[in-house]
Amino acid sequence: AQSVTQPDIHITVSEGASLELRCNYSYGATPYLFWYVQSPGQGLQLLLKYFSGDTLVQGIKGFEAEFKRSQSSFNLRKPSVHWSDAAEYFCAVVGNNDMRFGAGTRLTVKP
Amino acid sequence: DAGVIQSPRHEVTEMGQEVTLRCKPISGHNSLFWYRQTMMRGLELLIYFNNNVPIDDSGMPEDRFSAKMPNASFSTLKIQPSEPRDSAVYFCASSFQGSTEAFFGQGTRLTVV
Repeated sequence: AQSVTQPDIHITVSEGASLELRCNYSYGATPYLFWYVQSPGQGLQLLLKYFSGDTLVQGIKGFEAEFKRSQSSFNLRKPSVHWSDAAEYFCAVVGNNDMRFGAGTRLTVKP
Repeated sequence: DAGVIQSPRHEVTEMGQEVTLRCKPISGHNSLFWYRQTMMRGLELLIYFNNNVPIDDSGMPEDRFSAKMPNASFSTLKIQPSEPRDSAVYFCASSFQGSTEAFFGQGTRLTVV
């Protein structure tokens, strides 16, 4: 079955700084990849997705992610973080019609 | 569309009691997923359905857990008997075909005392 690894449990960045959240996946075929964000007490909201085509995908809230097949990675980036971006971020992979999530990365934003 | 609807939002029950969590997927979606989220184990896939049929229930922790999807617009996750270690947030999600993005409900926070 497919799996996802998010190596960073917790990241702290200053407001205005750039952000990169790492995601590595394991799947034998071309995966469908997603990033979700979860604010405290809320469900998960889709930020962006990759199915095929351009390996750099744009999402909501100024986020983007790049699919790198050679590295089995799908890292999430944002050039300038806002305080409202503080949340938990989940990378997910779909293969065999089910969606598996990474453990999540909690983002703290310093003023 | 109102999105994926879960009920109740919060449930507090005593150990040994039966608990039933409910989910109404987005109309037209034919895949439904149940997830459990805890601090220790993160977001775990418990079971998913395609066209109301359970496809993979390997994530269901024990026989105390069961899930049904009697029709395209309703699913339940039942725990009988419940135990304190079942305390978690349970999410339901649906998608149109399993390979597209899933839309999540707000979750049910279960506390077993």
